[in-house]
Amino acid sequence: GAGVSQSPSNKVTEKGKDVELRCDPISGHTALYWYRQSLGQGLEFLIYFQGNSAPDKSGLPSDRFSAERTGGSVSTLTIQRTQQEDSAVYLCASSGAGASMGGQYFGPGTRLLVL
Amino acid sequence: RKEVEQDPGPFNVPEGATVAFNCTYSNSASQSFFWYRQDCRKEPKLLMSVYSSGNEDGRFTAQLNRASQYISLLIRDSKLSDSATYLCAVTSSWGKLQFGAGTQVVVTP
Repeated sequence: GAGVSQSPSNKVTEKGKDVELRCDPISGHTALYWYRQSLGQGLEFLIYFQGNSAPDKSGLPSDRFSAERTGGSVSTLTIQRTQQEDSAVYLCASSGAGASMGGQYFGPGTRLLVL
Repeated sequence: RKEVEQDPGPFNVPEGATVAFNCTYSNSASQSFFWYRQDCRKEPKLLMSVYSSGNEDGRFTAQLNRASQYISLLIRDSKLSDSATYLCAVTSSWGKLQFGAGTQVVVTP
């Protein structure tokens, strides 16, 4: 079946612009996660959704970052007034009923470059 | 101290040899454990879950040591295609996965 999809694959933007990243989880997966990964670094947790609510937003780096999920499916991560340090790969993952239930499945990521 | 720690490597392994590496975690209440594989410039892919009794999937064996709070991954008969970064992941609160920074494995001909 279809895996997690993300769009765009790559995004180049100018400092100060807003960007929207999209994640389409595996059908039926109730949990959705956003991470980011800088070159050569580990995964940095950003936010977790269970259905449409976000019980854990603790990883969002600043108030320029926000995310929403509608219909218990697609999620968008918005970065306002992008900064060069926002450049990274943004990964989305989904899982059944929480990460403890068989692990998370990742999408291919969006490579964001802020000039 | 990080919640999940891994030796970054690289572990340089001759083709056909066995390699093993560990991942330590700090939260004794952790319930679920996983190994992921990440190829360069690709997303992490779930390799296997780690069960209390240990489990094997082909050439890969995962074990859990709750007393010492670590999980391990052993790869037998290494193939060139096993070259990757291996990430461990451990649940913390609400099932949130904490990832280690990864162990790089390089299999050489």
